[in-house]
Amino acid sequence: GGIITQTPKFLIGQEGQKLTLKCQQNFNHDTMYWYRQDSGKGLRLIYYSITENDLQKGDLSEGYDASREKKSSFSLTVTSAQKNEMAVFLCASSMGQGSETLYFGSGTRLTVL
Amino acid sequence: GEQVEQLPSILRVQEGSSASINCTYENSASNYFPWYKQEPGENPKLIIDIRSNMERKQTQGLIVLLDKKAKRFSLHITDTQPGDSAMYFCAASNYNVLYFGSGTKLTVEP
Repeated sequence: GGIITQTPKFLIGQEGQKLTLKCQQNFNHDTMYWYRQDSGKGLRLIYYSITENDLQKGDLSEGYDASREKKSSFSLTVTSAQKNEMAVFLCASSMGQGSETLYFGSGTRLTVL
Repeated sequence: GEQVEQLPSILRVQEGSSASINCTYENSASNYFPWYKQEPGENPKLIIDIRSNMERKQTQGLIVLLDKKAKRFSLHITDTQPGDSAMYFCAASNYNVLYFGSGTKLTVEP
């Protein structure tokens, strides 16, 4: 089996700060995703990548950048943290696209003071 | 894209009874409909899925139904146990990505 590792587990930032979240997978999966989970709103897609150096915007990409430096890693940057923002960011990977099982990491919980 | 609506948002049932969660989608091109379970403090995990060439699928106390004409699919948990208490998310895929519903918090009371 494989594992998806997200760092950090908890992230506290200041308003306006640029914050980076990291994700590593050892499944050798092609596709990786960043979802944001807010209470009562389910999981919303921020960015995904179907291969190294590829980036595709999701519905929630505004205010974020992403980078797929290599097949095993996918990072997400909050370009300017919003005051009082609280959310969990979930990284996931799948062998292919769309109709494949997603394997999720444990999440990064963001709090902006 | 896709929009997935999920109801109810909160569901309480007695142990041993059944629980049903319903989802609708908008894009007729969507062809894959998985269900994920997220236990407190854990990440979401796939529990069952159905593809557009099927109308019904059953595994280990879980039944999923798909009505493509109505763009509706549902999860039915039979003989619920306290261990079934969790958040459940439906999702729909139109080739590239999964679009999730807003989740149902299921509580199974002893």
